[in-house]
Amino acid sequence: AQSVTQLGSHVSVSEGALVLLRCNYSSSVPPYLFWYVQYPNQGLQLLLKYTTGATLVKGINGFEAEFKKSETSFHLTKPSAHMSDAAEYFCAVSDTGRRALTFGSGTRLQVQP
Amino acid sequence: DAMVIQNPRYQVTQFGKPVTLSCSQTLNHNVMYWYQQKSSQAPKLLFHYYDKDFNNEADTPDNFQSRRPNTSFCFLDIRSPGLGDAAMYLCATSTPGLATDTQYFGPGTRLTVL
Repeated sequence: AQSVTQLGSHVSVSEGALVLLRCNYSSSVPPYLFWYVQYPNQGLQLLLKYTTGATLVKGINGFEAEFKKSETSFHLTKPSAHMSDAAEYFCAVSDTGRRALTFGSGTRLQVQP
Repeated sequence: DAMVIQNPRYQVTQFGKPVTLSCSQTLNHNVMYWYQQKSSQAPKLLFHYYDKDFNNEADTPDNFQSRRPNTSFCFLDIRSPGLGDAAMYLCATSTPGLATDTQYFGPGTRLTVL
């Protein structure tokens, strides 16, 4: 069975500081990994995904994530936080045996002025 | 713009009174999903349609049903809502139905059960 663990339910950074949101996964087969963002009272929007190929994935709004198989991790980073980045971020996993996504519990990012 | 639309955005129902939530899409995607998201929790998949093929999650209560009359529309029926069913219900679509698909989410319907 797949699972996703997001360390830190709340992360607070200052505007302009590095954003690091942690995601570790468990999967018995090669995983496909996703990061979604959810703004208040809205649906989820894809930030980026890893399927195959290059392990450093660039997404929208300046975010990127690196797939590290040895660490079973897919952490999300952004060099400089902006106030508009304040939202809930979900890491998710799927694999070839399962069409649907398994989400982590989410990390709420606060950006302080 | 192509999109996923959910109606209504907010729904209030009474304990035990059946309720139907609606999802429509203009993306012409063949897969449609229903997720339940309780407060401060991760979205949890209830079921999905791959074309007309219905796929129920093993732990989805029988109280939850779904219909997909055509490619564009999908409905979530809650036959006898309980207080524990209060949540945000998210509809999503994808194509062509692979594990690598990006899922496109609607804005959600927030259900309140009195």
